[in-house]
Amino acid sequence: QKEVEQDPGPLSVPEGAIVSLNCTYSNSAFQYFMWYRQYSRKGPELLMYTYSSGNKEDGRFTAQVDKSSKYISLFIRDSQPSDSATYLCAIQDLGGATNKLIFGTGTLLAVQP
Amino acid sequence: GAGVSQSPSNKVTEKGKDVELRCDPISGHTALYWYRQSLGQGLEFLIYFQGNSAPDKSGLPSDRFSAERTGGSVSTLTIQRTQQEDSAVYLCASSLGSYTFGSGTRLTVV
Repeated sequence: QKEVEQDPGPLSVPEGAIVSLNCTYSNSAFQYFMWYRQYSRKGPELLMYTYSSGNKEDGRFTAQVDKSSKYISLFIRDSQPSDSATYLCAIQDLGGATNKLIFGTGTLLAVQP
Repeated sequence: GAGVSQSPSNKVTEKGKDVELRCDPISGHTALYWYRQSLGQGLEFLIYFQGNSAPDKSGLPSDRFSAERTGGSVSTLTIQRTQQEDSAVYLCASSLGSYTFGSGTRLTVV
C-alpha cells in the first residue's frame, strides 16, 4: 500500500462548478498536510497547508483533514479556467531527519469556460 | 535569486551517456531536495541536503545516481549510463520551512 493515495482523475468541470479533490494516507502519525498546484511545465507551488484535523479556508479554496478516516480533501468553489492544473496532495514525514514530503500521484483538473 | 533555478530545462540524451542536472536554490535556504516526477507516478524523493550535514541519499534508485551540493548552495544531480527508464522530470526544491520548487529539468533518454 502506498503511503499516500490520490484519486487519479482526470477531472473536467464547467466554469463555476465546485470541485472536490481527495487523498487517503496510511500512517496515522502524519500531522502536516499540504496541497500543491502544478501548472504545465512548472514546478509545484504550495496552495494550502493544514496541521492535524479540521478545515482551513483561503478564498475559494478549502482544505479538510479527517484524521479518523485518514482522508484529506481540497474543495474549490466557483472554479475558474485559471484553476486548470494538476493538484497534488502531500504529507510531511516528520518521523526522520529530512522532513521530506510524500506526494500523491496528482489529479489533473480542467475547468472549461 | 527570486526563485529556484534549474538547468537545463530540457535534456535529450542517448542511452548510456552521463548527464548532469543543476539546481540553484534560493539564497539562504539551507535545505535542498531533489525529486523525480514520472508520468502517473507523482513525485518521488531522491536526495536531501541540509547545511553541512551528510546528505540523505535513501531515495536514490541506483548507484548510477549521485548528487553533490557545493558550498551549501548549488547542487548537481548526476546520472551515469542513462537508461530509458530514467526519462522523467527532475525537480529541485529549497526550503527554510516550506518548499519552493524549480520548474524542473525534463530528461528524455533515447
